[in-house]
Amino acid sequence: EPEVTQTPSHQVTQMGQEVILRCVPISNHLYFYWYRQILGQKVEFLVSFYNNEISEKSEIFDDQFSVERPDGSNFTLKIRSTKLEDSAMYFCASTGGPGDQPQHFGDGTRLSIL
Amino acid sequence: GEDVEQSLFLSVREGDSSVINCTYTDSSSTYLYWYKQEPGAGLQLLTYIFSNMDMKQDQRLTVLLNKKDKHLSLRIADTQTGDSAIYFCAERVPGFQKLVFGTGTRLLVSP
Repeated sequence: EPEVTQTPSHQVTQMGQEVILRCVPISNHLYFYWYRQILGQKVEFLVSFYNNEISEKSEIFDDQFSVERPDGSNFTLKIRSTKLEDSAMYFCASTGGPGDQPQHFGDGTRLSIL
Repeated sequence: GEDVEQSLFLSVREGDSSVINCTYTDSSSTYLYWYKQEPGAGLQLLTYIFSNMDMKQDQRLTVLLNKKDKHLSLRIADTQTGDSAIYFCAERVPGFQKLVFGTGTRLLVSP
């Protein structure tokens, strides 16, 4: 069964450094998402992306965050200058169509900011 | 705004049925989802139900939706130790693409 893959599985970064989290969505999917889960808290929506632009974003997704689809397969989340509170599990998801189609998630990247 | 609540913990014995409950606040939600998260793994889609349905069954899983009470439940029949995981309820509100997740219910199945 096709799946969403994320790399790396664990990223450790010094505060203030830039970090890029990578995702390969399911190949025929068109809608892409990032979520995060701070330890012990709910899974929170960050951003959705379609047709090479952001279609929806949350209050969490401020100017420190950006997303990109640099080629036909990868979807990346960049955090420009990491803060301690960015430590979380980051999940990528994709769907084949808008809205009602279920989102399929990757295994996540655990980001630890020191 | 949207909010989804779940009980935090459920413990059952192997072979029993498990019922995980979820309440949501947005009555216009169209789809409601159940995801499973095993230790160190991602969110695995288990099943989902459209808001014009009351029940959906998929092998050992039964989803019940009470729209009047905004209550969703997931019943796992003949629960196995491999079902031990965290189960998340999520809703999608029309006009938005995001999923709103509950806190997750940790299911522990003992032999």
